[in-house]
Amino acid sequence: GQSLEQPSEVTAVEGAIVQINCTYQTSGFYGLSWYQQHDGGAPTFLSYNALDGLEETGRFSSFLSRSDSYGYLLLQELQMKDSASYFCAVREVNGSSNTGKLIFGQGTTLQVKP
Amino acid sequence: DTEVTQTPKHLVMGMTNKKSLKCEQHMGHRAMYWYKQKAKKPPELMFVYSYEKLSINESVPSRFSPECPNSSLLNLHLHALQPEDSALYLCASSQRGGRSSGNTIYFGEGSWLTVV
Repeated sequence: GQSLEQPSEVTAVEGAIVQINCTYQTSGFYGLSWYQQHDGGAPTFLSYNALDGLEETGRFSSFLSRSDSYGYLLLQELQMKDSASYFCAVREVNGSSNTGKLIFGQGTTLQVKP
Repeated sequence: DTEVTQTPKHLVMGMTNKKSLKCEQHMGHRAMYWYKQKAKKPPELMFVYSYEKLSINESVPSRFSPECPNSSLLNLHLHALQPEDSALYLCASSQRGGRSSGNTIYFGEGSWLTVV
């Protein structure tokens, strides 16, 4: 089976930097991705790491260490609009099926305060 | 704006009703998904269609019936639902399915379903 662990809640102030960690256990690893979901909205793709290292996209960066089964999402220069839930996800490839499943962590609720 | 379009955005139905949720994408994606999401929980996979064939059914009760008329369309037919089925139903698509798929899936805005 597979599982992902991430903190349930994180609070930070505007302008700060916050890191949301994710550890995973999977059978067959094809990368770690991050999704953002605002209240009442749909999840939107943020980033994807297939290889070790840091991927930067504007204020958001994502890191992966495959040897540690660990990744994190780094949000810089926090803004109020960053208040949302953040999910890490891995794709499981099932040998008996020709389509992988995207398995989500339980989500981290980020609250940005003024 | 999402390129995966879902209708209706809100649906209230009785336990004896038959209704359908519809999803459309025009990105040329060959894998489409239905997810169910309860409040404060992650999306839960229900069904996956890959190249218009049902490839994954996550032991979903038969009162939910998916249909993929073509590569751009995905429906979810609902019949005899229970109040606990009330949730946000998310359609999603990805470029490919299977081993060549990546982790980028595109979600629609979802259909909020209330069963009364």
